[in-house]
Amino acid sequence: NAGVTQTPKFRVLKTGQSMTLLCAQDMNHEYMYWYRQDPGMGLRLIHYSVGEGTTAKGEVPDGYNVSRLKKQNFLLGLESAAPSQTSVYFCASLADRSYEQYFGPGTRLTVT
Amino acid sequence: AQSVTQLGSHVSVSEGALVLLRCNYSSSVPPYLFWYVQYPNQGLQLLLKYTTGATLVKGINGFEAEFKKSETSFHLTKPSAHMSDAAEYFCAVSGGFGNEKLTFGTGTRLTIIP
Repeated sequence: NAGVTQTPKFRVLKTGQSMTLLCAQDMNHEYMYWYRQDPGMGLRLIHYSVGEGTTAKGEVPDGYNVSRLKKQNFLLGLESAAPSQTSVYFCASLADRSYEQYFGPGTRLTVT
Repeated sequence: AQSVTQLGSHVSVSEGALVLLRCNYSSSVPPYLFWYVQYPNQGLQLLLKYTTGATLVKGINGFEAEFKKSETSFHLTKPSAHMSDAAEYFCAVSGGFGNEKLTFGTGTRLTIIP
């Protein structure tokens, strides 16, 4: 039981490049979330999903897209990376009605 | 709408001393409250949570927190600090069933002085 895993762990992009971050969970959780963590700002919700095939915007969705084609995977895409997207990205999953989110180890992204 | 305020971005305590990390929340519905801990270069781990019932909740590693509705607070305490408690701590609030999105505070970095 690996819990929540994130791929890759580190990435450096040039401005304008695109990439996809993969989050996978093996706990059969319905809900999945993408956050970004910036110094002094805590974690802010980018997008989330309440089940396979669904997505919804969070607090800071601009510049990001997501897809949940399979229940166990939640992908976060950056179509045209900007330096303001330099951050640590965390994925989390939640079992229905347990109210506890399980977090992945994070992806550190630098955009130059 | 929900929000969380954590007072003090940095807190230092001596080993063996009381740890008190402050959290105040705002919520338009009965809140569900959480404390998470983040060790360097790691993800977040749940310390404890309040959903309903007993207002004093105990968590892992000897931490506990008390939900005080009248004060809109959910402060985190530990009677005796240990070196291994050094980490960043986040308070979070959600609206419970049907609103399972977490809103986080900005975090408090706890330093333990030997």
